[in-house]
Amino acid sequence: DTAVSQTPKYLVTQMGNDKSIKCEQNLGHDTMYWYKQDSKKFLKIMFSYNNKELIINETVPNRFSPKSPDKAHLNLHINSLELGDSAVYFCASSELPRGTDTQYFGPGTRLTVL
Amino acid sequence: AQTVTQSQPEMSVQEAETVTLSCTYDTSESNYYLFWYKQPPSRQMILVIRQEAYKQQNATENRFSVNFQKAAKSFSLKISDSQLGDTAMYFCALRVTGANSKLTFGKGITLSVRP
Repeated sequence: DTAVSQTPKYLVTQMGNDKSIKCEQNLGHDTMYWYKQDSKKFLKIMFSYNNKELIINETVPNRFSPKSPDKAHLNLHINSLELGDSAVYFCASSELPRGTDTQYFGPGTRLTVL
Repeated sequence: AQTVTQSQPEMSVQEAETVTLSCTYDTSESNYYLFWYKQPPSRQMILVIRQEAYKQQNATENRFSVNFQKAAKSFSLKISDSQLGDTAMYFCALRVTGANSKLTFGKGITLSVRP
């Protein structure tokens, strides 16, 4: 069983479109995250939710909107896609939002905006 | 604010030999956790090893061990008996204790294991 899963794994779309990436974890964790890995492989956190409540919101354009329908799911919706949004997006989860907790990552979604 | 620095962009090692990947960090906090993650070509981020800053003993996981020097703010990863499957990008990461703290990553190092 996959612990943290994301769909789709690959997403190719045109500039200006709206797209969503879904994430699910079956680890029973309370906290979920979205990270962006750019073309230079640099990983940066975008958002974090704890028990469906937004707890970390980095400086991300408001075209990006996370949604957590329940604590096992955290989806990422992106409006009006731009070329610079091309990246790999990782979902992760941890039991608690505290430093001690190890984060477990999904397989990533490679988004390509043409 | 926390920073993590991995100054070597890439390294190469012969199969079965030992290699050490460097990482330095900076934080004003006294309680924190350090991690090494591996990202093979499959793209999956895999936890390799974790170290609690309050523990003096260096963490080990099979062929992987760390050299944690708290005063020097250094956290290097040693891979013994390197295997072809160790070929990957390795990221050092830091997270301070406390609610809602962020995991801060270094830029990563590409490790190639030669047959």
